[in-house]
Amino acid sequence: DAGVIQSPRHEVTEMGQEVTLRCKPISGHDYLFWYRQTMMRGLELLIYFNNNVPIDDSGMPEDRFSAKMPNASFSTLKIQPSEPRDSAVYFCASSLGQGREKLFFGSGTQLSVL
Amino acid sequence: GDSVTQMEGPVTLSEEAFLTINCTYTATGYPSLFWYVQYPGEGLQLLLKATKADDKGSNKGFEATYRKETTSFHLEKGSVQVSDSAVYFCARSGAGSYQLTFGKGTKLSVIP
Repeated sequence: DAGVIQSPRHEVTEMGQEVTLRCKPISGHDYLFWYRQTMMRGLELLIYFNNNVPIDDSGMPEDRFSAKMPNASFSTLKIQPSEPRDSAVYFCASSLGQGREKLFFGSGTQLSVL
Repeated sequence: GDSVTQMEGPVTLSEEAFLTINCTYTATGYPSLFWYVQYPGEGLQLLLKATKADDKGSNKGFEATYRKETTSFHLEKGSVQVSDSAVYFCARSGAGSYQLTFGKGTKLSVIP
């Protein structure tokens, strides 16, 4: 298996633009998580899905952030409009069933908002 | 709420030195405890875990023991290698949920 695949690896955009981050979880995994990593705040859980259904989005910082999982093999995290304080590394992770605490992370998307 | 506190880095050691990275957690519920490792340019990956008090997790020469009395899960390795250079994250599972709460990470650099 190729593991969790995220795209793009790097994204540079200007303030006010829409940003879409993409994630393909490991085939067969039923949990998908979006994390944000910054130097100041460390690793923060933004939202997670179970069987494509959002379970907890309490970590989403504000209405500018939205996440979808239209099917078991694809998820997006969208920021509209983007702001410089959104600059961070965004990780997607997936896990399976009773082993759901063992997360498999993608390589992340480094987002820079100028 | 749930939280995990790790010693602040960075930590720089010579090859073959002994490593300890301290981690403490809030004592709500009966969490499982984890150490994840992040190599440069990669996502986190599970290094070891322990699910109940007095359990010892081990992998690749690393060990950590779940100490309920001190709410600690310190990571140790007897002899580090240059290839161990990475950021190490302590984490706990949520009380009644399966969300993981991570510490801020400790960067380890091992020099030859």
